[in-house]
Amino acid sequence: DAKTTQPPSMDCAEGRAANLPCNHSTISGNEYVYWYRQIHSQGPQYIIHGLKNNETNEMASLIITEDRKSSTLILPHATLRDTAVYYCIVRASNTGTASKLTFGTGTRLQVTL
Amino acid sequence: DAGVIQSPRHEVTEMGQEVTLRCKPISGHNSLFWYRQTMMRGLELLIYFNNNVPIDDSGMPEDRFSAKMPNASFSTLKIQPSEPRDSAVYFCASSRDKITDTQYFGPGTRLTVL
Repeated sequence: DAKTTQPPSMDCAEGRAANLPCNHSTISGNEYVYWYRQIHSQGPQYIIHGLKNNETNEMASLIITEDRKSSTLILPHATLRDTAVYYCIVRASNTGTASKLTFGTGTRLQVTL
Repeated sequence: DAGVIQSPRHEVTEMGQEVTLRCKPISGHNSLFWYRQTMMRGLELLIYFNNNVPIDDSGMPEDRFSAKMPNASFSTLKIQPSEPRDSAVYFCASSRDKITDTQYFGPGTRLTVL
């Protein structure tokens, strides 16, 4: 699986959009970009994933560049409960079976009042 | 849906003792994953099963660690004998057997080996 690079930490004011970048310059054509987050003392939580197109769900938006070498996770209106470590993961799509996630060090997002 | 269930939530034991961690995946999920998280090494995959069969156990640190999945609704991770360096939070996750399906994590078991 391709490696990812994320800033170690970011701050965001409550109510503002949080934009978390991820670099995955060695991504292959069949690899998806996944985002998970881990709130303190809890298990990781799935946020969103995408292959080529931008994606949006109730939690966040995922913007993937045209060359797929980087992406940005957007939390449109961050709240204090969004304070967590955010992991960007590139994951190969295997044929027929689930594949493992390889977690890096992630970005520690601190949302402040 | 109850989510992934892990037990116990906390375990404190002495070095040399056997430790068994348990996981019940989400009903209908065919893949099960065991992860370990420490400050030094972060979150790392130990082993995962697909349809109760171990697919990749390359992350299992050594022979003291073993994992089983006797049926689709239960898995165990056993450490025998335990050592202080095994202290960590152990997470279990499950997913459906699809190419891009997401993994759902349990609350974790915090293991402390004295």
